[in-house]
Amino acid sequence: EAAVTQSPRNKVTVTGGNVTLSCRQTNSHNYMYWYRQDTGHGLRLIHYSYGAGNLQIGDVPDGYKATRTTQEDFFLLLELASPSQTSLYFCASSEGTGGSYEQYFGPGTRLTVL
Amino acid sequence: GDQVEQSPSALSLHEGTGSALRCNFTTTMRAVQWFRKNSRGSLINLFYLASGTKENGRLKSAFDSKERYSTLHIRDAQLEDSGTYFCAAGASSGSWQLIFGSGTQLTVMP
Repeated sequence: EAAVTQSPRNKVTVTGGNVTLSCRQTNSHNYMYWYRQDTGHGLRLIHYSYGAGNLQIGDVPDGYKATRTTQEDFFLLLELASPSQTSLYFCASSEGTGGSYEQYFGPGTRLTVL
Repeated sequence: GDQVEQSPSALSLHEGTGSALRCNFTTTMRAVQWFRKNSRGSLINLFYLASGTKENGRLKSAFDSKERYSTLHIRDAQLEDSGTYFCAAGASSGSWQLIFGSGTQLTVMP
């Protein structure tokens, strides 16, 4: 079964702060994703990547950067955090080939921007 | 408009009863995935279907790409089934993204 880990699990920062969320997957999946989930909403895609060095823009990218440094590691960067970015962030991975869309999710990172 | 419409948004069940959640799609989807968000906030994979039906214990899911819907049936509901359930679907465009429904908040009561 896919293993996706995230760190930190909880983070509190102030407005204007610099935050990096980390995600690692250990199943050699091609695709990795960053989502945010807010109460009353489904998950919304921020950025995704289909391999090291690749980055694709998702549906809600404003205020976020991301970088895929290796097959395993995908980072989400908030360089000037704002209270509107207070949310629960999920990372996911999927094989992306062979016709399977199935995604495996990490445990989530709860970010609070004061 | 939203490509994945999930209903109901909230559902209350008594222990031992059952019900169904539904997702309707405004376009043809290639696959659907169902999740439960547990009390710790983690997303638990329930089902992944590219067609047909799957069953796991008290849960059963169906996906009809042609008719553009998927269902999740819960029978003999238990207190631990409470949580938020999400469906997510992969579009036929070849993109590897999932489009999420807005979730169903299920409360199982004694």
